[in-house]
Amino acid sequence: DSGVTQTPKHLITATGQRVTLRCSPRSGDLSVYWYQQSLDQGLQFLIQYYNGEERAKGNILERFSAQQFPDLHSELNLSSLELGDSALYFCASSVGGSNGPLIYEQYFGPGTRLTVT
Amino acid sequence: ELKVEQNPLFLSMQEGKNYTIYCNYSTTSDRLYWYRQDPGKSLESLFVLLSNGAVKQEGRLMASLDTKARLSTLHITAAVHDLSATYFCAVIETSGSRLTFGEGTQLTVNP
Repeated sequence: DSGVTQTPKHLITATGQRVTLRCSPRSGDLSVYWYQQSLDQGLQFLIQYYNGEERAKGNILERFSAQQFPDLHSELNLSSLELGDSALYFCASSVGGSNGPLIYEQYFGPGTRLTVT
Repeated sequence: ELKVEQNPLFLSMQEGKNYTIYCNYSTTSDRLYWYRQDPGKSLESLFVLLSNGAVKQEGRLMASLDTKARLSTLHITAAVHDLSATYFCAVIETSGSRLTFGEGTQLTVNP
């Protein structure tokens, strides 16, 4: 158990709908990262937050958005869902994550499996 | 753009045999990670390699890093069935923070 929690574990929804995925980082970790794993694209970085601020952005669609709250938990919002959004969404956390030569490790949560029908 | 390539992508081996998985990356980095993933499960951290020449071993797995060649290897010694999983290498660019993953190597160890 990495200490990172994600809810829900599974989500089944229809095209055009909107969902919210939730992540709680390990105690003491300030950074939260979101990754998407699909058969087509593999494991891809979506976005990073560090202590409430967006720090880095990857291949995140405009239909997707995220935020990190003062208690450091994070939510990933996916809207106007398409069949191709079906994937495993992982959250990871780390102690550091600000720009610079910090050395740190990212710990992954159990993931949320999203199925869009 | 950082690219990370693993080979082979699929590896079927017999118990007791040795094999090596290779991970090449395209830009400067001094942080390389190996993860294991079982089907439908999360990513389990295996090794963190932080400097040129770093070598780490855990059980039947040994990982090494050559930053000059931009190459890491994951060596499997005397494979057992429990090692069957998908193995990913991932790299963080110097002064970056995001992990860029390779495609993964799906390892099957047959009795």
